[in-house]
Amino acid sequence: GAVVSQHPSWVICKSGTSVKIECRSLDFQATTMFWYRQFPKQSLMLMATSNEGSKATYEQGVEKDKFLINHASLTLSTLTVTSAHPEDSSFYICSALSGSHQPQHFGDGTRLSIL
Amino acid sequence: QKEVEQNSGPLSVPEGAIASLNCTYSDRGSQSFFWYRQYSGKSPELIMFIYSNGDKEDGRFTAQLNKASQYVSLLIRDSQPSDSATYLCAVSLGQNFVFGPGTRLSVLP
Repeated sequence: GAVVSQHPSWVICKSGTSVKIECRSLDFQATTMFWYRQFPKQSLMLMATSNEGSKATYEQGVEKDKFLINHASLTLSTLTVTSAHPEDSSFYICSALSGSHQPQHFGDGTRLSIL
Repeated sequence: QKEVEQNSGPLSVPEGAIASLNCTYSDRGSQSFFWYRQYSGKSPELIMFIYSNGDKEDGRFTAQLNKASQYVSLLIRDSQPSDSATYLCAVSLGQNFVFGPGTRLSVLP
């Protein structure tokens, strides 16, 4: 149980392109979803927390207009990197939470490379 | 500022030995404690969670929690080379999570 599906696994695109990443909880309803970014050999960095039907809460220093998060249902959240540039290249990981005191379950991550 | 601290390592242990990974946290109100394993280039995967003081065992893994000392640990018995990874400690209060920076474990064959 507690499977989180994240797509796509890899994205390579040109600078200026917008990229959408999907995160789905397959066998549970996610009250909260999280989006992280991780650079090589560095720690997970929380970007934002989203709850179904409400606006995402972004961490300090994360541009909300650059990283658009939509949490349309209890099983789906999307992250759109708008007008991506090479410095946005990173490993993006989502996770989902089924309730308080429960663990976060992570998707497999999306490796984004902007040329 | 709520903090979770871990020794970054690398922690090197010989195959078959016990690996002991430690984590301290600053928020006394923390209620739930989690250990994740992250292989290089992969996303974290849940190993164990613990809510109450004491020990919790699952196969080769034992999580230990001491809320008075604000300390949580993970023991890995009979360590295998496949256990080589970064181990992340996470602490939560409700839906608010704080992850530690992780400890890199290397199990030497």
